[in-house]
Amino acid sequence: DAGVIQSPRHEVTEMGQEVTLRCKLISGHNSLFWYRQTMMRGLELLIYFNNNVPIDDSGMPEDRFSAKMPNASFSTLKIQPSEPRDSAVYFCASSPDGDTQYFGPGTRLTVL
Amino acid sequence: AQSVTQLDSQVPVFEEAPVELRCNYSSSVSVYLFWYVQYPNQGLQLLLKYLSGSTLVKGINGFEAEFNKSQTSFHLRKPSVHISDTAEYFCAVSEGNTGFQKLVFGTGTRLLVSP
Repeated sequence: DAGVIQSPRHEVTEMGQEVTLRCKLISGHNSLFWYRQTMMRGLELLIYFNNNVPIDDSGMPEDRFSAKMPNASFSTLKIQPSEPRDSAVYFCASSPDGDTQYFGPGTRLTVL
Repeated sequence: AQSVTQLDSQVPVFEEAPVELRCNYSSSVSVYLFWYVQYPNQGLQLLLKYLSGSTLVKGINGFEAEFNKSQTSFHLRKPSVHISDTAEYFCAVSEGNTGFQKLVFGTGTRLLVSP
């Protein structure tokens, strides 16, 4: 049984470039969460969706960040333009019941 | 607003010794409480959760935690640790009446188990 799948696992890019992170939910799950983890700020919730609808995006840092769920099993997090301070590990998590969250392995983003 | 405090950033312990990782929370409403574990270069994995009922919650890998409402604590314990328990442990809280599980995480406690 496949868990949450994230791609790429590692991304190195230059400041100003567009970055797209991808997440595939576990089949049957209806909630999707995007988190960012840094040494300075710990684990922060960026946005979460329920049934493909964004419920709370108050954690999105600024307009450079956007997230979508084009269908029930897939989500993207886009940063445009990227900045060095966006360097972090980005996790997505899915949930079948709004209770237990299942995390993906993360994408380590480095912006030079 | 909710918040979670994990006072210990790092806890060193010898193999087979008991361990307690501390977690305190603040919230003005009823809460759900969670402990997650993160192994190196991996995502978070749920250890255990408290939603309601018995205040002593048992989880995977021999861990347990006790919800103490009067002390607003949810400390994680294991009677005998293994080398493989070396990892980062995160306590998290969500408000019990939101309908959606918006988690607020603590800063984490790194458990270091040595032989």
